[in-house]
Amino acid sequence: DAGITQSPRHKVTETGTPVTLRCHQTENHRYMYWYRQDPGHGLRLIHYSYGVKDTDKGEVSDGYSVSRSKTEDFLLTLESATSSQTSVYFCAINGGGETQYFGPGTRLLVL
Amino acid sequence: AQSVTQLGSHVSVSEGALVLLRCNYSSSVPPYLFWYVQYPNQGLQLLLKYTTGATLVKGINGFEAEFKKSETSFHLTKPSAHMSDAAEYFCAVRRVGLTGGGNKLTFGTGTQLKVEL
Repeated sequence: DAGITQSPRHKVTETGTPVTLRCHQTENHRYMYWYRQDPGHGLRLIHYSYGVKDTDKGEVSDGYSVSRSKTEDFLLTLESATSSQTSVYFCAINGGGETQYFGPGTRLLVL
Repeated sequence: AQSVTQLGSHVSVSEGALVLLRCNYSSSVPPYLFWYVQYPNQGLQLLLKYTTGATLVKGINGFEAEFKKSETSFHLTKPSAHMSDAAEYFCAVRRVGLTGGGNKLTFGTGTQLKVEL
């Protein structure tokens, strides 16, 4: 258990609504990541953070923003949700030995 | 650039039979390679990883994988399948050199393993 929680675990929202997903870690890791998982695509990186207030884009960052105001929390925001953002979202941290550990995921449905 | 190809989106085996899940990678630098398992409605759990050293790596639940540089492969095997092995398996390669010194994983599209009686 890498001490990662995600909230909410499930969410249903409507197109055009802003949505914020939260990732919380208890082990003071520097690097944190947001991925989305879609059938036929595996997991793809949305954004990542390499420290407080330090973030950068991944390969599928359009329509998403992130913030990290303290080490333990990494927020993912969908400014105006679209149906194409229906997905399962995973947060991850860099643990020891070059390994990433994943949270339990958030299932988001955009109607 | 790094990429991963998993051959076979669905694999079905009988209980007690050999499990073989295929993964081929491309990487411009010496790769770090990972296998993760995902049970229904759960997150990803690390099965095993190759970084450096011994090319045959053993993981949890009786799985192992062999890094073959000449074949650019990292196939996952288990001698005898159990019903509890039914899950989705993902191969991933690490990409280095991100801003801030971080690394990211590039995943394959996953292989769903079904184990039949």
